[in-house]
Amino acid sequence: NAGVTQTPKFQVLKTGQSMTLQCAQDMNHNSMYWYRQDPGMGLRLIYYSASEGTTDKGEVPDGYNVSRLKKQNFLLGLESAAPSQTSVYFCASSSPQFPWEQFFGPGTRLTVL
Amino acid sequence: GQQLNQSPQSMFIQEGEDVSMNCTSSSIFNTWLWYKQDPGEGPVLLIALYKAGELTSNGRLTAQFGITRKDSFLNISASIPSDVGIYFCAGPAGTYKYIFGTGTRLKVLA
Repeated sequence: NAGVTQTPKFQVLKTGQSMTLQCAQDMNHNSMYWYRQDPGMGLRLIYYSASEGTTDKGEVPDGYNVSRLKKQNFLLGLESAAPSQTSVYFCASSSPQFPWEQFFGPGTRLTVL
Repeated sequence: GQQLNQSPQSMFIQEGEDVSMNCTSSSIFNTWLWYKQDPGEGPVLLIALYKAGELTSNGRLTAQFGITRKDSFLNISASIPSDVGIYFCAGPAGTYKYIFGTGTRLKVLA
């Protein structure tokens, strides 16, 4: 089992460019999450998906969009990247039986110039 | 909104020493979680606490759910170099939503 995987691992964008961060899990988890981690800020929830086909906003959703078309995949999109979106992005998943136990991916380090 | 404050923000300790850190919330929680993040990795759940006063251990780690339900504590006994990393507390902020503290960065000097 690979657990939660994220691609790419590193990315550099110019202001205004768009991109999609990909996340996949092979644990058959219902719920998936996207967080961003900034120095001194801990982890902040961007969007989450309780189940396939549903998504909801978290604490910091502005400037992002998400897609959960398949149970195993959760995509995070940046339509027009801004320097304020420079961060490390983590995807996580959890089962309905233990929703508090989130399994995290290794992260994507994004720099927006 | 809800906030989780962790203390200390960072600490250097000698190998073999015991470590204590805490987390306080502006509101009551019914679950407390402690995660560890190794350098360059995603966080991993260490301990979950479900009721006030609960004391739970995981190897050299012991966590406690505070009586007021607004705080939690994590202790590490006899620290070793692989304990280095960032320790996060977390709690529920609604169904499927969890908030994380700002983290305690631990550095162990051999």
